[in-house]
Amino acid sequence: GQNIDQPTEMTATEGAIVQINCTYQTSGFNGLFWYQQHAGEAPTFLSYNVLDGLEEKGRFSSFLSRSKGYSYLLLKELQMKDSASYLCAVSDSNYQLIWGAGTKLIIKP
Amino acid sequence: ETGVTQTPRHLVMGMTNKKSLKCEQHLGHNAMYWYKQSAKKPLELMFVYSLEERVENNSVPSRFSPECPNSSHLFLHLHTLQPEDSALYLCASSQDKGAPSNEKLFFGSGTQLSVL
Repeated sequence: GQNIDQPTEMTATEGAIVQINCTYQTSGFNGLFWYQQHAGEAPTFLSYNVLDGLEEKGRFSSFLSRSKGYSYLLLKELQMKDSASYLCAVSDSNYQLIWGAGTKLIIKP
Repeated sequence: ETGVTQTPRHLVMGMTNKKSLKCEQHLGHNAMYWYKQSAKKPLELMFVYSLEERVENNSVPSRFSPECPNSSHLFLHLHTLQPEDSALYLCASSQDKGAPSNEKLFFGSGTQLSVL
């Protein structure tokens, strides 16, 4: 079967760095997405990786290793507003999105 | 403002009620989706419409009935739901679903549904 694993919850301190991991086993691979979802709000697109390596976008970076079936989202200079759930999703061989259950990130002062 | 608006934001209904969820997108997209989001579970794709035609129906019970009258509007009609149907129902849109592609989704804020 197809599966996406990510930690259920993480806690970090304001101003610090946090890495949220995502591992996947899917039927084929056509890219990996990260979305951010604040409580009670719509998920919003953060990043898309289809080739190995690191994609940097401001304070957020996303890394992909296709051979390891692994990605991470790196958040730097954490701010209180970064408290949210982070959803990992993989596009399989049929371009169907397989979703993880999300990682709830709690930022403490 | 994500460009995708869902109403109502909250809905409480009994198992014998009939209600409808509404979604409207102002982005000029051609594809629209219904997802179910339960606590601590992955998003579950329910229905996909591309250019007003249903292209996917992921074994969703018949008590959920979608309707897409045009490319900007999507409805989910609810009838004789069960308590386990309580969840957040998210609508999303993307530019096009016609060809295999990896398009980012634009989500609405969802309808939090409670079935008593």
